[in-house]
Amino acid sequence: GIQVEQSPPDLILQEGANSTLRCNFSDSVNNLQWFHQNPWGQLINLFYIPSGTKQNGRLSATTVATERYSLLYISSSQTTDSGVYFCAVLKGGSEKLVFGKGTKLTVNP
Amino acid sequence: DGGITQSPKYLFRKEGQNVTLSCEQNLNHDAMYWYRQDPGQGLRLIYYSQIVNDFQKGDIAEGYSVSREKKESFPLTVTSAQKNPTAFYLCASSMVTLTPSQHFGDGTRLSIL
Repeated sequence: GIQVEQSPPDLILQEGANSTLRCNFSDSVNNLQWFHQNPWGQLINLFYIPSGTKQNGRLSATTVATERYSLLYISSSQTTDSGVYFCAVLKGGSEKLVFGKGTKLTVNP
Repeated sequence: DGGITQSPKYLFRKEGQNVTLSCEQNLNHDAMYWYRQDPGQGLRLIYYSQIVNDFQKGDIAEGYSVSREKKESFPLTVTSAQKNPTAFYLCASSMVTLTPSQHFGDGTRLSIL
């Protein structure tokens, strides 16, 4: 099946710093989503981005489908950005969303 | 407000007992999903359903059962056959369209007494 690898596994930042999270996938995909799981376990849908670039406030994401990777950018990080960021992909012809293991982000004040 | 409601937030199970986790959505989504998350891990798919009265096994269906009698409801039963049920369970839903982004409920934490 399709493999999804996220890097780095852990990231510690000071408030105000910028960061880039990476998601590599092993096959072509029809769907790619980025999620943020907060410390209470809630999984928030950040971006639906099978290709191209999208921005939402301090967050933006870029997927280069032909090279099988996606990047999530967080600018001017805040303590509320802490949590785990998951990338998930869905291959064409499949109904199953496959998740990476996540990047755990800690933003210190 | 439209959304996905999971209940209860916390659930305790005795050995040999079946328990049922509730998931209700009012988003008019066609598809619904159940995932299991273990500490420090990603999500793994248990079961999914794309239409009423039909559902498919995911990657870790053993020891679980589901039903889909109504579009808005997709309950998950953790049976006594599931030997390691302690985990965080998340329900999701999506439209079966060209942009099938999944949206999640707040989860249920299940523990063994």
